[in-house]
Amino acid sequence: QKEVEQDPGPLSVPEGAIVSLNCTYSNSAFQYFMWYRQYSRKGPELLMYTYSSGNKEDGRFTAQVDKSSKYISLFIRDSQPSDSATYLCAMSGGSNYKLTFGKGTLLTVNP
Amino acid sequence: AAGVIQSPRHLIKEKRETATLKCYPIPRHDTVYWYQQGPGQDPQFLISFYEKMQSDKGSIPDRFSAQQFSDYHSELNMSSLELGDSALYFCASSRGVAPNEQYFGPGTRLTVT
Repeated sequence: QKEVEQDPGPLSVPEGAIVSLNCTYSNSAFQYFMWYRQYSRKGPELLMYTYSSGNKEDGRFTAQVDKSSKYISLFIRDSQPSDSATYLCAMSGGSNYKLTFGKGTLLTVNP
Repeated sequence: AAGVIQSPRHLIKEKRETATLKCYPIPRHDTVYWYQQGPGQDPQFLISFYEKMQSDKGSIPDRFSAQQFSDYHSELNMSSLELGDSALYFCASSRGVAPNEQYFGPGTRLTVT
């Protein structure tokens, strides 16, 4: 079993929809939770990070962490075609700072 | 704003050859991380450096080595290349050891034939 599980999709939604992306994890040492956006053949772009549990909002994006359930989410409001990309969750914690990624969810927002 | 620079962007090598990938971190970033992303896979951590010293090591083959230089740029050296080494190689940088603020470069696409 991988440390981080993420449904690879693909996920297709109409423009303006609310998108929910999720990851689960098994390593209790994880304390930092990140979401990256990756366009085809490009490097991952850091969208948001959350330390420990709680919510964080940035414009149309909201990240949630529930450490008791080992579950994290990213919500995208008023989704746009430009949001079409692969979304990767990533986590870190314990004695090292390497990122452990989920497999990524491919999102398509249709005009 | 300046970003992480990687060179070359594309590299084609034959089996058993060697390759050197370079990474130039964001100015004032002193920590570099290397990740390997196979086709359809998530990025896998290889190795990291903080202040020119190796800070962590992941699933990096013994055929690979890396170092960070005095100007904080880093090089990943890969020898005896195998077909399975074909992948995207990303470098990320941060200021200090910061798991939450690693900024990725555009990657080097290595193809081994």
